[in-house]
Amino acid sequence: DVKVTQSSRYLVKRTGEKVFLECVQDMDHENMFWYRQDPGLGLRLIYFSYDVKMKEKGDIPEGYSVSREKKERFSLILESASTNQTSMYLCASSLPGLNIQYFGAGTRLSVL
Amino acid sequence: DQQVKQNSPSLSVQEGRISILNCDYTNSMFDYFLWYKKYPAEGPTFLISISSIKDKNEDGRFTVFLNKSAKHLSLHIVPSQPGDSAVYFCAATPNAGGTSYGKLTFGQGTILTVHP
Repeated sequence: DVKVTQSSRYLVKRTGEKVFLECVQDMDHENMFWYRQDPGLGLRLIYFSYDVKMKEKGDIPEGYSVSREKKERFSLILESASTNQTSMYLCASSLPGLNIQYFGAGTRLSVL
Repeated sequence: DQQVKQNSPSLSVQEGRISILNCDYTNSMFDYFLWYKKYPAEGPTFLISISSIKDKNEDGRFTVFLNKSAKHLSLHIVPSQPGDSAVYFCAATPNAGGTSYGKLTFGQGTILTVHP
């Protein structure tokens, strides 16, 4: 079974803090994705990566950056957290050419 | 611009009856569609998919129908069970070309509640 692991289930941070959300997948998938889920808005793509050190902006990249130094790990970085970044963050991975994405359990981030 | 829309935020169904979840899309480049199910405190899990070359795909109790001319798809669950209570997301992607990197565009989700 594909396993996508997000390092934290719940995080509480202060406005202005730098926040790291970590995601690891164990199936050697090339593609990895970061989404946020908000009520009434569904899942919105923040960033994705199709290879080590490669990254592309998604639909809502403002205020976020990403890092992919190793194939299995994809990190989402909030350089200076703001209250409007309070959300559920979901990481996913997939193989190239295949459309099924496998998701982690999510990290619920609260920025106070 | 919401390219994939699920216009019903919630649906309530009696156990044993049919659940029908609907999804509309606007981007004519989309040619592969997926349904995901999400329980609270868990990530979405893949349920069923359909390519634009088909108009129906069935997997057990779950059937997805695609109407390309109307840019509409629906998920039918028959019979519905209390364990089906979850949030259902439809998603779409332009499958061909290899440059989409498997990017999915998701709808807003529909909360399904199946009552015993």
